[in-house]
Amino acid sequence: GQSLEQPSEVTAVEGAIVQINCTYQTSGFYGLSWYQQHDGGAPTFLSYNALDGLEETGRFSSFLSRSDSYGYLLLQELQMKDSASYFCAVRRNQGGKLIFGQGTELSVKP
Amino acid sequence: GAGVSQSPSNKVTEKGKDVELRCDPISGHTALYWYRQSLGQGLEFLIYFQGNSAPDKSGLPSDRFSAERTGGSVSTLTIQRTQQEDSAVYLCASSLRLAAKNIQYFGAGTRLSVL
Repeated sequence: GQSLEQPSEVTAVEGAIVQINCTYQTSGFYGLSWYQQHDGGAPTFLSYNALDGLEETGRFSSFLSRSDSYGYLLLQELQMKDSASYFCAVRRNQGGKLIFGQGTELSVKP
Repeated sequence: GAGVSQSPSNKVTEKGKDVELRCDPISGHTALYWYRQSLGQGLEFLIYFQGNSAPDKSGLPSDRFSAERTGGSVSTLTIQRTQQEDSAVYLCASSLRLAAKNIQYFGAGTRLSVL
């Protein structure tokens, strides 16, 4: 079967750094994506890793270790607007189908 | 259009009725996906269209679910004889063919409530 594990909830304060982990077990792996979803909103793309290492995009970074079947999303200088759900998703092959984790709800407190 | 458009935004139906959900992808995007999201849960893959290739239907939960894509653009997801467990938000996404990062652009979804 296919499974992705990520924490259900994370709480942090404004200005802090938070890391959201994702471990996966899938038959086939091509890349790991991260999406953000605000309450009642559409998921929006944040980051993608196909190779081991760190990808940085502004305040957000994403890391992948293929040998450990593990990745994380790092959010720096947290802002209240970062309160949302964050999903990791595995792309198993060159096709576009994604398998999503259950999501991590991030609450940013003042 | 500027983004992925889905209609209706909300649909309330009675158990046993058929429903049709519509998705207009971003112009020029050849890949189109349907996902289902139950309250507080992740996105569950349903079906994937890529250009003229046969669709990947591996996520459809039962034969009551079907989808088509006409002219390589608009897609309709049909649920026949709806059941209460079909209640969820149905999300559509589109992407460029074989884009390196496979960025999927999502619509706002259709919230389906089966009474």
